[in-house]
Amino acid sequence: DSGVTQTPKHLITATGQRVTLRCSPRSGDLSVYWYQQSLDQGLQFLIQYYNGEERAKGNILERFSAQQFPDLHSELNLSSLELGDSALYFCASSPPSATNEKLFFGSGTQLSVL
Amino acid sequence: DQQVKQNSPSLSVQEGRISILNCDYTNSMFDYFLWYKKYPAEGPTFLISISSIKDKNEDGRFTVFLNKSAKHLSLHIVPSQPGDSAVYFCAASARNQGGKLIFGQGTELSVKP
Repeated sequence: DSGVTQTPKHLITATGQRVTLRCSPRSGDLSVYWYQQSLDQGLQFLIQYYNGEERAKGNILERFSAQQFPDLHSELNLSSLELGDSALYFCASSPPSATNEKLFFGSGTQLSVL
Repeated sequence: DQQVKQNSPSLSVQEGRISILNCDYTNSMFDYFLWYKKYPAEGPTFLISISSIKDKNEDGRFTVFLNKSAKHLSLHIVPSQPGDSAVYFCAASARNQGGKLIFGQGTELSVKP
C-alpha cells in the first residue's frame, strides 16, 4: 500500500459526459501528480500541483482540469468525454523534501467511455 | 515526441536466468533515472534509481546501468524469479526542467518457472 488513495477504482460513462477523479496523497506529501496510461502507451504526465498551486503542466487537454484543495487532496475533472479518453488515470504524490521526483502512486482509476 | 523509449514491449526469461530491460532517452538534460514495477490492478511502485553522476547502482538482485554517452540505461535482474513478472517502466527527470518524471511505454517481463 503506497498510502495514495484514488477513488473511484472504476468509472463507466458515456461520451459527452463529465467525471471527477479524486486523489488523497500520502500523509505529509505536498505534491500531487496526475498521469494517464492509455492502451500501448506509457504513463503520460498530465499535471502537477504543489501545496495547492499548479507547478507543472504536461499533455493535458483543455477539456481536462485539476485542482488541489487546502487539505491537499486533488481532483481531476474530465469533461466532454470522448472514446479516446478511456484510460487508466493515476495519481501520485512525493515528499516535500524530495529534490528528485520519486513518486508514490495510487492504484488508479480505470475510466471507460462508451 | 517520446523522450523516453522502451523498445521491447515484452520479454520472457527462464527462472534463475538474467533479465535485461533496456531504455533509451533523447533529452540530454535528464539527470535522474528510475525504474518502476507495476503489477496488474496496482499502481507503479519504485524499484531502483540512479543519478547521472553514477554509471551503476545496485540493490540486491537489481542493478541499473547508465551509459550517458549512448543515452541508454538498463535494468538487470539476477537471478530472475517468477514474482518478478510485471510491467517495468523506465522514467527520467531533469531538475532544471521542473523535475517531473517522463516515463517510457513499459516492458512486460514474464519469468517462467
